[in-house]
Amino acid sequence: GENVEQHPSTLSVQEGDSAVIKCTYSDSASNYFPWYKQELGKRPQLIIDIRSNVGEKKDQRIAVTLNKTAKHFSLHITETQPEDSAVYFCAATSNSGGSNYKLTFGKGTLLTVNP
Amino acid sequence: GAGVSQSPRYKVAKRGQDVALRCDPISGHVSLFWYQQALGQGPEFLTYFQNEAQLDKSGLPSDRFFAERPEGSVSTLKIQRTQQEDSAVYLCASSWGSGSNQPQHFGDGTRLSIL
Repeated sequence: GENVEQHPSTLSVQEGDSAVIKCTYSDSASNYFPWYKQELGKRPQLIIDIRSNVGEKKDQRIAVTLNKTAKHFSLHITETQPEDSAVYFCAATSNSGGSNYKLTFGKGTLLTVNP
Repeated sequence: GAGVSQSPRYKVAKRGQDVALRCDPISGHVSLFWYQQALGQGPEFLTYFQNEAQLDKSGLPSDRFFAERPEGSVSTLKIQRTQQEDSAVYLCASSWGSGSNQPQHFGDGTRLSIL
């Protein structure tokens, strides 16, 4: 099955700096990669996603890049703000064995933005 | 409703008791998922429904776990003879269509504590 590795596990930045979180996946047939933000005690909130036919996607201060050859994808947050502080999860769905709906998540990155 | 609704938000049970967790997906969403999130970890897939059909239950940890969605809308996750290792947050997500490579929208989860 799919295996997703996420780094770093914790990340502390100053307000206004950029933050980058990286993930690798194992299944070359994976074709959908969402990112979720989860604040303490709250639901995972989808912030951006990318499909395998696209190399980069941007939404205001958030961008995601995908390198299919290397099987890794990254989340980039620019001009970070204290309200960006949360745990971020990457995930991947695989398209093998007919199972293309099952999300496999990374272990998460605790992002702290210091004012 | 506007989002995925789960109840109860918190459940405390004694070891050996049975519990039932409810999920009300976004109206019109065909696909429904259950995930288990241990403390400090990413969600892990439990089971998947398309309408009332349970198409994948490969993630259910044991035969003590049972899920149903009899009318293709509300779903219930039941855990029989609970054990301490069942303590976790149980998240429900829904998606339109088959769920294949589509955004999954999560509820706030039920935090289950087994004493």
